[in-house]
Amino acid sequence: DTGVSQDPRHKITKRGQNVTFRCDPISEHNRLYWYRQTLGQGPEFLTYFQNEAQLEKSRLLSDRFSAERPKGSFSTLEIQRTEQGDSAMYLCASSFGQTANSYNSPLHFGNGTRLTVT
Amino acid sequence: TQLLEQSPQFLSIQEGENLTVYCNSSSVFSSLQWYRQEPGEGPVLLVTVVTGGEVKKLKRLTFQFGDARKDSSLHITAAQPGDTGLYLCAAGSNYQLIWGAGTKLIIKP
Repeated sequence: DTGVSQDPRHKITKRGQNVTFRCDPISEHNRLYWYRQTLGQGPEFLTYFQNEAQLEKSRLLSDRFSAERPKGSFSTLEIQRTEQGDSAMYLCASSFGQTANSYNSPLHFGNGTRLTVT
Repeated sequence: TQLLEQSPQFLSIQEGENLTVYCNSSSVFSSLQWYRQEPGEGPVLLVTVVTGGEVKKLKRLTFQFGDARKDSSLHITAAQPGDTGLYLCAAGSNYQLIWGAGTKLIIKP
């Protein structure tokens, strides 16, 4: 078990550019989450996958954001036409859950990708 | 809208002191989790509490879930500089966890 890994750790981009982040979850985990976190705040939910199916997406998430988990393993998060307000830490987490209320399963987080939009 | 409010937002104390931080809500949750996050890293789970009134201990950390399962507290005895970090509580709702904004704790040597 190598834990959840995220790549890159840091990304600096100019406003208007597209960026893509990758997350490799713990291999036995069927659930994968993307969160965004700004300084001094808790994680903000972005989207959630169970296996390859994207089951929920935050209403706060604009159309510029898209996430995929094509084979139910790794996931990518793409932000198109980045804005300065997108600057944040993007966290990926995974868990294993089989029942409807297993959203309470502990989340295992990666160390995040810190995005800076200049 | 379900909210988790954490207090205090910031706490800076000397090594050896005791402290308590709180996580409160007007909603009832089936369980609640506490995480600690260090700068540049993702949150790491400390404990999950499930039963109203439940108390769990993790070395010098004591976690309690309120009887009505609306609130929780974390008490640290004889705090050490290694306890420094952002303490986050999270509770289950639908397919996701609701997160508090965290308590930033600094323990000065």
